[in-house]
Amino acid sequence: DTEVTQTPKHLVMGMTNKKSLKCEQHMGHRAMYWYKQKAKKPPELMFVYSYEKLSINESVPSRFSPECPNSSLLNLHLHALQPEDSALYLCASSRGGSTEAFFGQGTRLTVV
Amino acid sequence: GQNIDQPTEMTATEGAIVQINCTYQTSGFNGLFWYQQHAGEAPTFLSYNVLDGLEEKGRFSSFLSRSKGYSYLLLKELQMKDSASYLCASNTGFQKLVFGTGTRLLVSP
Repeated sequence: DTEVTQTPKHLVMGMTNKKSLKCEQHMGHRAMYWYKQKAKKPPELMFVYSYEKLSINESVPSRFSPECPNSSLLNLHLHALQPEDSALYLCASSRGGSTEAFFGQGTRLTVV
Repeated sequence: GQNIDQPTEMTATEGAIVQINCTYQTSGFNGLFWYQQHAGEAPTFLSYNVLDGLEEKGRFSSFLSRSKGYSYLLLKELQMKDSASYLCASNTGFQKLVFGTGTRLLVSP
């Protein structure tokens, strides 16, 4: 199994809503990532979890709250988002170190 | 700071060879990755270089010069399905992968 699974695939939410994005991998990877990608732009790193602990937060606003309940799961909790937060949110995982990252198909988020 | 630059767009013809360049200046460096991303899809891993030189994988090759902060991806025998964005990414340490600006490649018949 070399898949990273993200749910939902599409999400539309209002600025007062609370929602969560979910990511799952069963490759035994110890590093998991959240990236944000705007149209025609490269992915921008948001958070890195290493061995279920948050190791990197790229100065992401607190309206985005990551959570790693166990080594296979990664969540991104969303609250009070702005329309400019509309983007493709990509989850990725890797064995760690200098190994390649495997990406999920992403959640396309629209904030209205 | 992190600075990873690529040409924005390139066009090429089916069957041809194309070279996509990437220059980087990052605060740490543990290797250079190349990813392919079709529109609306996830990035998929193509190659990884950590030492200077050329890595070959079928129709795709990638080159790295650490002293020059330079890499390229070489695609041979281009096919229509190679039309995609190509992203170089620097592993800057502590599992941090920073992507370049990306190159959109359009292959025409």
